[in-house]
Amino acid sequence: DAGITQSPRYKITETGRQVTLMCHQTWSHSYMFWYRQDLGHGLRLIYYSAAADITDKGEVPDGYVVSRSKTENFPLTLESATRSQTSVYFCASRVSAQETQYFGPGTRLLVL
Amino acid sequence: GQQLNQSPQSMFIQEGEDVSMNCTSSSIFNTWLWYKQDPGEGPVLLIALYKAGELTSNGRLTAQFGITRKDSFLNISASIPSDVGIYFCAGHKGAGNNRKLIWGLGTSLAVNP
Repeated sequence: DAGITQSPRYKITETGRQVTLMCHQTWSHSYMFWYRQDLGHGLRLIYYSAAADITDKGEVPDGYVVSRSKTENFPLTLESATRSQTSVYFCASRVSAQETQYFGPGTRLLVL
Repeated sequence: GQQLNQSPQSMFIQEGEDVSMNCTSSSIFNTWLWYKQDPGEGPVLLIALYKAGELTSNGRLTAQFGITRKDSFLNISASIPSDVGIYFCAGHKGAGNNRKLIWGLGTSLAVNP
């Protein structure tokens, strides 16, 4: 099924563990984004990528690492998870010529 | 980081009523986007606006790009239960501005059947 997918949809982990959230899009969009959504804060940009091997920090990048070796994939890694990283994480993508972003279904992460 | 001022924060209305919400900023934007997020899902684009004064409809939804370019409005006519969700506005200032959207905090809509 074409579009943008995220995995896993739900994840429970413990403080200090490494966690990787996956994002895959089939549209060949050049731009990809990672957001976290928390009550009272709306959507906050963590990292974004303009193309393969080009990434840049967003508003709240601390504690996260991204990579983009292929256009279609944009994994987000929490190197040492903390309770404050409990959140809903959304991946999004868009073409270079337009600002409209298309979102995945989200990953709900609980850090115990 | 910068955010848009979106209001109201929440609304509880009766089915059939019309709904209005807006987003304002102290800065000028070149693009305004309106998204809806259903419970447990990612945001989905409703309407995109690219020109000051533009009025665009999508079914029962109508959105406008303010003529000052500092605000945008979304109206929903004759609300139905499936309109429940969170509505977000997002704006973009144009090329050279890090290609990032600025987001409002959302308007949570509840509809009483």
